[in-house]
Amino acid sequence: GAGVSQSPSNKVTEKGKDVELRCDPISGHTALYWYRQSLGQGLEFLIYFQGNSAPDKSGLPSDRFSAERTGGSVSTLTIQRTQQEDSAVYLCASSLVTPDTQYFGPGTRLTVL
Amino acid sequence: EDKVVQSPLSLVVHEGDTVTLNCSYEVTNFRSLLWYKQEKKAPTFLFMLTSSGIEKKSGRLSSILDKKELSSILNITATQTGDSAIYLCAVGGSNYKLTFGKGTLLTVNP
Repeated sequence: GAGVSQSPSNKVTEKGKDVELRCDPISGHTALYWYRQSLGQGLEFLIYFQGNSAPDKSGLPSDRFSAERTGGSVSTLTIQRTQQEDSAVYLCASSLVTPDTQYFGPGTRLTVL
Repeated sequence: EDKVVQSPLSLVVHEGDTVTLNCSYEVTNFRSLLWYKQEKKAPTFLFMLTSSGIEKKSGRLSSILDKKELSSILNITATQTGDSAIYLCAVGGSNYKLTFGKGTLLTVNP
């Protein structure tokens, strides 16, 4: 079946603008994760969903970051008033049940000018 | 706070060489250790090691978990240029998230 998909693949925005990043997990996967990967860094955990609820938001860097998941499927990560330090690749992963093997999407490369 | 350290940070070898990548960890209530290969954007799953499965092998790749030493190694034999990638180690603990190391950049030259 189809893997995890993310859109857009690339996003260039101006500082101060809001952006929305989308993730479609593998069908039937109940757990969904967002990560951020900056140049030369490992993956930084942002948030995890089990179904539509987010029991762990500990990784969100600031209150400018929020995420939601609807219907136990699609998730949106929103960054408000973007800053240059938000530039990174944002990766989404899903797993059948936590804490099973996570399968990653292709990511969204965000560039804040 | 959970911590994963990978070494070396980068490695350059010639085709046919054997490489060993290292991963050490500190985690509360260890659950699993995973290896991923990242070529462009999306990390792709290689192995998951747990207390009940400490050794995995797939073709030229193999991995061993040493729970006593809190570490794991990933071996690649007879390397090929297609093995060039960043290899990520991640550990799952008590809080259902994976903590990733910074990765090892492997370059295999022809």
